[in-house]
Amino acid sequence: NAGVTQTPKFQVLKTGQSMTLQCAQDMNHNSMYWYRQDPGMGLRLIYYSASEGTTDKGEVPNGYNVSRLNKREFSLRLESAAPSQTSVYFCASSESHRNYGYTFGSGTRLTVV
Amino acid sequence: EDQVTQSPEALRLQEGESSSLNCSYTVSGLRGLFWYRQDPGKGPEFLFTLYSAGEEKEKERLKATLTKKESFLHITAPKPEDSATYLCAVQANNDMRFGAGTRLTVKP
Repeated sequence: NAGVTQTPKFQVLKTGQSMTLQCAQDMNHNSMYWYRQDPGMGLRLIYYSASEGTTDKGEVPNGYNVSRLNKREFSLRLESAAPSQTSVYFCASSESHRNYGYTFGSGTRLTVV
Repeated sequence: EDQVTQSPEALRLQEGESSSLNCSYTVSGLRGLFWYRQDPGKGPEFLFTLYSAGEEKEKERLKATLTKKESFLHITAPKPEDSATYLCAVQANNDMRFGAGTRLTVKP
């Protein structure tokens, strides 16, 4: 059981570079999420997809874009990376958008220099 | 604005020394309160969901309780393998809002 798979696990970018973080789940979940985790601030929601074909902004969407490619895959794109985007990024999925706990991936540690 | 506050930030216990972690929240129309465990370098792992005041859930040495303003995660006779960061989250209308976590260390 793979659960939620994120790639890459580590990445170093230069300011202004772009990249896409990949996420895939094999649990047939309807909803998928992207969070960032910074020391002392907890997990903050960037974007979510309540169901295939829909995406919505979360608490901190600026500087990011997402694509729900199909039911399994949800990608996060940084068009022009900034040092403030240095963080650990987690993808998560759940059976439904409300009232269910989330299954998280193991994270991507991103450093922007 | 929905807020979730966890205390203490860090807690050090001796093996077998029971204690409680607190999660206080302000949210309109609570749909659920969630507890997660996070080990270093890993993603959070779902533990419990509580839906209404008075509800309790148990798993091994952990018991979660819920009131109208806060939730407690009680840890009974903890072991070193219980060392982790415990996250609380609340869900109202839309997204799940997380607290900053309590880092628990259990010494043998």
